[in-house]
Amino acid sequence: ILNVEQSPQSLHVQEGDSTNFTCSFPSSNFYALHWYRWETAKSPEALFVMTLNGDEKKKGRISATLNTKEGYSYLYIKGSQPEDSATYLCAFIDGWGKLQFGAGTQVVVTP
Amino acid sequence: EAQVTQNPRYLITVTGKKLTVTCSQNMNHEYMSWYRQDPGLGLRQIYYSMNVEVTDKGDVPEGYKVSRKEKRNFPLILESPSPNQTSLYFCASSLSFPGRLRETQYFGPGTRLLVL
Repeated sequence: ILNVEQSPQSLHVQEGDSTNFTCSFPSSNFYALHWYRWETAKSPEALFVMTLNGDEKKKGRISATLNTKEGYSYLYIKGSQPEDSATYLCAFIDGWGKLQFGAGTQVVVTP
Repeated sequence: EAQVTQNPRYLITVTGKKLTVTCSQNMNHEYMSWYRQDPGLGLRQIYYSMNVEVTDKGDVPEGYKVSRKEKRNFPLILESPSPNQTSLYFCASSLSFPGRLRETQYFGPGTRLLVL
């Protein structure tokens, strides 16, 4: 089993504030890292696919960075809005085709 | 509309009664996968399939079977369900192996299973 960890487990953010959280994964045999957004009672939806060290992706107010050498990725939310409330999942894929999700970071944005 | 469908969405059953959860995608995707989601554990992969007649175990395959006789369908079979298989199940598909060609997975709506 691969060791994919997300921290923190949950966080509360005031509307308008920015926040970030981490996905840690093995630094060897890296193939790809995915970020998903999962709203309550819905299915996970893809945010980013990251494959190269130093990758930076952006979608609206959400962005992500990737460091494959040290085995971490950050997801940033700028100017959080209530609609950003969701669980954010990362999924690590290694060169052997093994895929593992982290347990997620639950984000609650309060007005 | 491009989608992944699962049936049933909710199921209550009893220990030992065989059941099948169907999964179908209309995007001509090669890769399909089943996950279970339990509180605090995230999504754990049960089985995946790279293409027709090609399936492989994920992290938690015990107690489950799958088949991939057609590209669009990937049913999950519980031959003798037990209470520890009570969970939320997701089927997912992608054009090719996740990450290759920068492809992500598309998830079905989920099936909530309760085994008494």
